[in-house]
Parts: sequence; C-alpha cells; structure tokens
Amino acid sequence: ETGVTQTPRHLVMGMTNKKSLKCEQHLGHNAMYWYKQSAKKPLELMFVYSLEERVENNSVPSRFSPECPNSSHLFLHLHTLQPEDSALYLCASSRNHQGNSPFSGNTIYFGEGSWLTVV
Amino acid sequence: KQEVTQIPAALSVPEGENLVLNCSFTDSAIYNLQWFRQDPGKGLTSLLLIQSSQREQTSGRLNASLDKSSGRSTLYIAASQPGDSATYLCAVRSGSRLTFGEGTQLTVNP
Repeated sequence: ETGVTQTPRHLVMGMTNKKSLKCEQHLGHNAMYWYKQSAKKPLELMFVYSLEERVENNSVPSRFSPECPNSSHLFLHLHTLQPEDSALYLCASSRNHQGNSPFSGNTIYFGEGSWLTVV
Repeated sequence: KQEVTQIPAALSVPEGENLVLNCSFTDSAIYNLQWFRQDPGKGLTSLLLIQSSQREQTSGRLNASLDKSSGRSTLYIAASQPGDSATYLCAVRSGSRLTFGEGTQLTVNP
C-alpha cells in the first residue's frame, strides 16, 4: 500500500460513454498527478495539480477532464474516448515545498493504476 | 525538452549476480532523479530518490548514483534475487514535470 488509492482498477467503456476515474491520497500531500502508460511507451504526464490548482496541462485532448476538489482527491472525467486511449492511468501525489522550487526534493508516490479499455 | 533513455531495455541474469542499470538524460537542470520499480499490471513503487546536489543513495542491496553534469545515473543491484524481477524506471524532475524513461525489464532466473 502506497497511500494512493485508485478506483476502479479496471474499466471497460464504449466510445460514447461518460465515466470517471478516482484517486485518493492519505499521505497529507498537496500535489497530485495523472499519468498515462501505454504499451512500449514511457509514462506520459497528463495533468499536475498543486494546492488544488492546475499547474500543468500537457496538451491532453479535451475528452479528458481533470477535477481536483481538494488536496486529497483527484478525478479524471472521461467522455467520448477513442480506442487508442486504452491504457493504464496512474495517479500520483507528492508534498510540495513553499518558495521558488515547490517541486524540488520530494518523493512521488503512485497508485496501483486504473486499466482502461475503450471498445 | 527533457529526454530520458534507459539501457538496456531488457536484461536476464542468473540469481546472485550483481548488475547495473543505466539511465541518461539530456537536460542537466534537474531537481532530482528517482528510481522506481513496476511489477506487471501494477503501479510504481519508489526505490530511491537522489537530489541534484547528491552523488548517490543506498537502500539495502540497491545503490543509485547520479552524475548530473554528464546526465547519467546508474542503479546497482547487489546479489540479485528472483524477487527483483520487474521493470525498473528512472525519472528526472524538472519543475512540476517528472520525465520517465522507457524502463529496463529485469528477469532474475533461479
């Protein structure tokens, strides 16, 4: 157990469905992340939230919509996905420092991931 | 744009061997470098974090080194065991972004 919990662990959805992935961290962290892991590709950063504010949006299609209602919860809302969006979606969290280098010096912890299949 | 490369892509060794996994990165302006382990179908487990000001970190049979100026890190695994079989990923932190390599898939044979 890493302290980062993702649900559901497996999701199969049609291209016209709307679903959401949920992530919850119990580590007292103040930054949360969504990563996508496709076969034979490096992990791709999708979104970063720091203190519930989005600080990074890595050119992700609008069919993926993140939501961070508080520092412990992160959602990824999915709408009209494509088969190529099938992948393992990983949530992570870390503790940011104050000041000019908020992301320095911190270990990032990952959840077990949500396997998404789009049919 | 930061790029991270891991060599080799796959490695198979007999139990008990000492081994080295390599990671290189193109932009040396990093905050830190982190090594992870990923078992099949699972999330990532953090192994070691090296700050940009540090040269190495050790945890049990694992030792990671960092040469920031040359853009290289190595993960040394001593006396490998079958339970070490997994994919090992290195990632470098620049600002809010953590950039990953493609990983080295390690198999330790009994």
